[in-house]
Amino acid sequence: EAGVTQSPRYAVLQEGQAVSFWCDPISGHDTLYWYQQPRDQGPQLLVYFRDEAVIDNSQLPSDRFSAVRPKGTNSTLKIQSAKQGDTATYLCASSPGQGVNSDYTFGSGTRLLVI
Amino acid sequence: SQWGEENLQALSIQEGEDVTMNCSYKTYTTVVQWYRQKSGKGPAQLILIRSNEREKRSGRLRATLDTSSQSSSLSITGTLATDTAVYFCGVYQGGRALIFGTGTTVSVSP
Repeated sequence: EAGVTQSPRYAVLQEGQAVSFWCDPISGHDTLYWYQQPRDQGPQLLVYFRDEAVIDNSQLPSDRFSAVRPKGTNSTLKIQSAKQGDTATYLCASSPGQGVNSDYTFGSGTRLLVI
Repeated sequence: SQWGEENLQALSIQEGEDVTMNCSYKTYTTVVQWYRQKSGKGPAQLILIRSNEREKRSGRLRATLDTSSQSSSLSITGTLATDTAVYFCGVYQGGRALIFGTGTTVSVSP
């Protein structure tokens, strides 16, 4: 079974530039998550979807971040005007359903450096 | 922060030794999941323990859960150099997705 695929693997931006991250979840997984992981910290939830619907985006900085999953499969996370504080690894995960018994499968992440 | 200070640790051990790491949480949960993250990779689930299990084993791994003290532990017996990683516990907050602690860094020397 193919895992969760993320691209690009790395991105280096200057402040103010825009960037998009792409995620292809495991086939059949209806729930997709985006996490931000600053260096030496645990993953922090940004947003998650059930099919194409946003279930929770309360932790997404809405003025600069956006996320979509238009067909309930692949997803894109976009930062409109990056800041140095956005430097982190962005992880995508998927699971079959949601709830306390769901097993998450993570991608390898996209490492973002904003200079 | 969601987590107690004991969740923020770095441990250095020799191959063959046993190691235990702890996690405390402040939200009500009936399930704790433990994940391992190796350098340059995403986290991978190791073990899921429910409140009615108190202890769960998987190979060299042993997880415990004490909902009364809101704490969980993960033990690895007979560590290998390949166990070098950061270990996270994750809990669900109010039916939302998993939230993770800061993690415990384990370095195993051959």
